[in-house]
Amino acid sequence: DGGITQSPKYLFRKEGQNVTLSCEQNLNHDAMYWYRQDPGQGLRLIYYSQIVNDFQKGDIAEGYSVSREKKESFPLTVTSAQKNPTAFYLCASSIRGAADTQYFGPGTRLTVL
Amino acid sequence: GEDVEQSLFLSVREGDSSVINCTYTDSSSTYLYWYKQEPGAGLQLLTYIFSNMDMKQDQRLTVLLNKKDKHLSLRIADTQTGDSAIYFCALKTGTASKLTFGTGTRLQVTL
Repeated sequence: DGGITQSPKYLFRKEGQNVTLSCEQNLNHDAMYWYRQDPGQGLRLIYYSQIVNDFQKGDIAEGYSVSREKKESFPLTVTSAQKNPTAFYLCASSIRGAADTQYFGPGTRLTVL
Repeated sequence: GEDVEQSLFLSVREGDSSVINCTYTDSSSTYLYWYKQEPGAGLQLLTYIFSNMDMKQDQRLTVLLNKKDKHLSLRIADTQTGDSAIYFCALKTGTASKLTFGTGTRLQVTL
């Protein structure tokens, strides 16, 4: 089955801890994205990567970090510098092209205790 | 930056048509998308339209684009209880891969 997987589905973290969210795709897509979703709001872009070993900040990158060492993988680290990390995190990928249609994973719900 | 607005809530009866609206500010949008999100899940791509089109139909879904008024709509014919979800419009502007999302419209389908 081709698709995008995110793990874990639920994640709990104590304040002051860093945590890494996993995103893997086997669609052979070039570009990958991380979004944050808060209740009653749309998706906000955290980071995106259009090619291996390269990534760009989105609209709300502060307190987050990413890496793109492999085409299939784009992990997101939520650091202790992120002041309000409790949210639903969505990963997406797309083939680079005119439409750049993005396909989404199932999401990870992060709760800071 | 781009502003994308949607009404928060829409309630329709099963079997009726639903129309979900989206307004935006950037006239240079090239591709416009509709996504569906069920509770606790990721976003599912429903359809998209290129900016040089006025309408696109795909089974029960009809997308209308009014570029002059910067207005995008999604019509769902014969709405079913399984259509209950949050619907997001999203816009791609220029050559960048980034999308700008609306705030989402929660569709409630009643019996």
